[in-house]
Amino acid sequence: AQSVTQPDIHITVSEGASLELRCNYSYGATPYLFWYVQSPGQGLQLLLKYFSGDTLVQGIKGFEAEFKRSQSSFNLRKPSVHWSDAAEYFCAVGAVQAGTALIFGKGTTLSVSS
Amino acid sequence: DSGVTQTPKHLITATGQRVTLRCSPRSGDLSVYWYQQSLDQGLQFLIQYYNGEERAKGNILERFSAQQFPDLHSELNLSSLELGDSALYFCASSSPSGASSVAEQYFGPGTRLTVT
Repeated sequence: AQSVTQPDIHITVSEGASLELRCNYSYGATPYLFWYVQSPGQGLQLLLKYFSGDTLVQGIKGFEAEFKRSQSSFNLRKPSVHWSDAAEYFCAVGAVQAGTALIFGKGTTLSVSS
Repeated sequence: DSGVTQTPKHLITATGQRVTLRCSPRSGDLSVYWYQQSLDQGLQFLIQYYNGEERAKGNILERFSAQQFPDLHSELNLSSLELGDSALYFCASSSPSGASSVAEQYFGPGTRLTVT
């Protein structure tokens, strides 16, 4: 069965420091991969997606992610974190066999310290 | 603003009751998905509709049902509510190239259901 693992439940980063959020997936075929962000009391906003092609994908708000098939990973990165980036981040995989629904990881909460 | 709207924003009801959550997808999106977000289970897929037809079911309880209407809005009906049904319910919509294609999903703001 398809699954997504986000190993870090909570990460604290200093403002201006770089960020990497980890995501590992388990899926038999070529995955469709997504990162979403959820601010407190808000819905989920799509940051970026990977369907095929270039394994380094750029998203909104200065985020990027790299797909590594050999490691079954899709880690999210940002070179310099801003206080407004504090939120919960979800990695998800699209599963055609599940009717194209998204399977989400448990999420990583990002705190930004000044 | 994702373009997906959900009503109501908050809902407080008692155990045993029935509620209906409503979702309007982005203009032109044919697929609607319902997800439940709770602290212990995380984000769980419930059910998907594509152009009025049920396409897939996830971890949806028999007490829950949904439908998508000709104007593509969708409703999620929750009955015989239990305390454990308290959660945030999200609707998402997408515009896949076909009924079996994966596409990015756009999420509404959610309905927070509290069962007392």
